[in-house]
Formats: sequence, C-alpha cells, structure tokens
Amino acid sequence: QVQLQESGPGLVKPSQTLSLTCTVSGGSISSPGYYWSWIRQPAGKGLEWIGRIYSGGSTNYNPSLSSRVSISLDTSKNHFSLQLTSVTAADTAVYFCARGDYSKPDYWGQGTLVSVSS
Amino acid sequence: EILLTQSPGTLSLSPGERATLSCRTTQSVVSSYLAWYQQKPGQAPRLLISGASSRATGVPDRFSSSGSGTDFTLTISRLEPEDFAVYYCLLYGDSPLYIFGQGTQLEIK
Repeated sequence: QVQLQESGPGLVKPSQTLSLTCTVSGGSISSPGYYWSWIRQPAGKGLEWIGRIYSGGSTNYNPSLSSRVSISLDTSKNHFSLQLTSVTAADTAVYFCARGDYSKPDYWGQGTLVSVSS
Repeated sequence: EILLTQSPGTLSLSPGERATLSCRTTQSVVSSYLAWYQQKPGQAPRLLISGASSRATGVPDRFSSSGSGTDFTLTISRLEPEDFAVYYCLLYGDSPLYIFGQGTQLEIK
C-alpha cells in the first residue's frame, strides 16, 4: 500500500519561501494515472486544495494561490515538492500531501505543521 | 466558481442513531465527482465514498451516499463510537479543480 510522508521546515519567516517534500513509498511516483496533490488546513479550519502534479509532470493550481505556488516531481527520489513563495501568517497550516486519481485524493500523508512567524 | 455548503455545521447524536449529513452545491454537478471524507483530530482525512456511492476499501457498509444535481447526502445508518469526527465533501470541479465543503462536526450527544 502506498504511503506518503511530508517533510520540511516547521517554521518559515514572513516573505520567505515555504518548501516541503512528500516522499512516496510502496509505489512509483511516475506510475501513470496518478495525481499528486498538496492540501492544507489552518488550525481548527477546513481543507484547502493547493495544487497537484500528474505523474507525467503537468500541473494544476488553485487560482487563489497560483501566483505563489510551484509543485514539482523528482522521480529519482520518488518524491514531489511544494514551494510557496512570499508567505504570510495566513499560510500557517498543516500541509498534507496526497495521491489520487483525476477526481479525488485517496491516500494522504499524516500532515506537517508549518508556522509562519518571525 | 462552484461553492459547497455542508449542513448542519454540528450534528449531535448518540451511538446507534442515524446520521444524515448534507452537501449542497451552487451549480448542478456530476454526482460521480462528489466524494466524502472523514477526519479525526490529529489525523489526515480518510476517503469514505467517491464516484457517486462507491465505498473506499475498508469502509463499513453503514456509510452510504446519495444525491444528484445540487443536493448530496452522506448517511451513517447506525452510529458507532468511532464515527464521531468531522466529515467533508469534495467536488472535482473546474476552477479550482478540487473544492471542499466547510465540514460537518459529528459529535456525541
């Protein structure tokens, strides 16, 4: 069964870039038909989809974040990454990575808390 | 942009009771593009149902979904203690591609 694990700094300063990696085990990130997403959840609030990358490399982003977001694949390391630029306190959240088909994420990582603070 | 509204915000029920959770969209959508998730404190969301009414692997058959157009329902036929959690609906839409409802908190009465 596929497993996903997020990693990265837990604290980022305002205006800097948030960078997270999602390492995938139990399956290849380049297997056709899968979409690899990032989703976030501020404390006590709901879920917000950030964006996704297809196993072939094409991306889709939430328009509300698209000017600041980049998602990439590293097939040699079997992981995918999130970069979110110019962060503010509003970007403080638990960040989840997930695998899915075209219509929904199904397997999720456990999530990692990222705080934006000076 | 399509919006999803879940109701009620909080539902207080007892084990053994039936739970009915609603997800309404602002435009008619394809029912097979609607999914339901369960999230417990400190955990990632867990896919329950997708593709109109297909339960994910390992999901008990007390969970079911129905609906069409703009009105969708998740039903838990007889609540077990482990069912008390937050439930989200998700729509595979256009822009953004994935839209979540704001969630329904199912709490023990």
